Amino acid sequence: AQSVTQLDSHVSVSEGTPVLLRCNYSSSYSPSLFWYVQHPNKGLQLLLKYTSAATLVKGINGFEAEFKKSETSFHLTKPSAHMSDAAEYFCVVSDGSTGTASKLTFGTGTRLQVTL
Amino acid sequence: SQTIHQWPATLVQPVGSPLSLECTVEGTSNPNLYWYRQAAGRGLQLLFYSVGIGQISSEVPQNLSASRPQDRQFILSSKKLLLSDSGFYLCAWGDRSGRAVFTDTQYFGPGTRLTVL
Repeated sequence: AQSVTQLDSHVSVSEGTPVLLRCNYSSSYSPSLFWYVQHPNKGLQLLLKYTSAATLVKGINGFEAEFKKSETSFHLTKPSAHMSDAAEYFCVVSDGSTGTASKLTFGTGTRLQVTL
Repeated sequence: SQTIHQWPATLVQPVGSPLSLECTVEGTSNPNLYWYRQAAGRGLQLLFYSVGIGQISSEVPQNLSASRPQDRQFILSSKKLLLSDSGFYLCAWGDRSGRAVFTDTQYFGPGTRLTVL
């Protein structure tokens, strides 16, 4: 079974400063890992996905994440926060099913606040 | 490109009333379809998934049911709503092309906010 732990329920940064959202995972096999973003009362938007092709994954809106197997981590970063980045972020691990329905396990979310 | 629709966007229903939420996907065929619920302050809970027409798998026992009458249509229903059914309901689709790298990504709809009073 897989699991995901998002280490911070709430992160606050100033606009223009770096963002770090932390995620640790547990999986019995080589996992697929995702970051999704959710703005208030909206659906989830895929930011990026790790599939073992490269440990540093670049996503949309300037976000990137680095897969570190030795640390079982998949932290999300952005060099400079914008006000529009304020949202809830979910770290997600897949059970790796192929050809049938995959099952995703979601972290509890990190709320990112961006202040002026 | 693929698009996923959900309606209604918001819904307020009395306890004991029936429910029908609809999800449709455009621009792809034979997708995997999923229903999730997001309760206030909590993460996402997978309710149902479907790998084909008429094929429904339930993840948690509850008074909800799901149906897939057409390839790209997924319906969430209840005969009698409970207060605990309140939440944000999200539909998602996944590619079932058989290519491993693509089959476990899910794409979410805009959601339906359900309030049961």
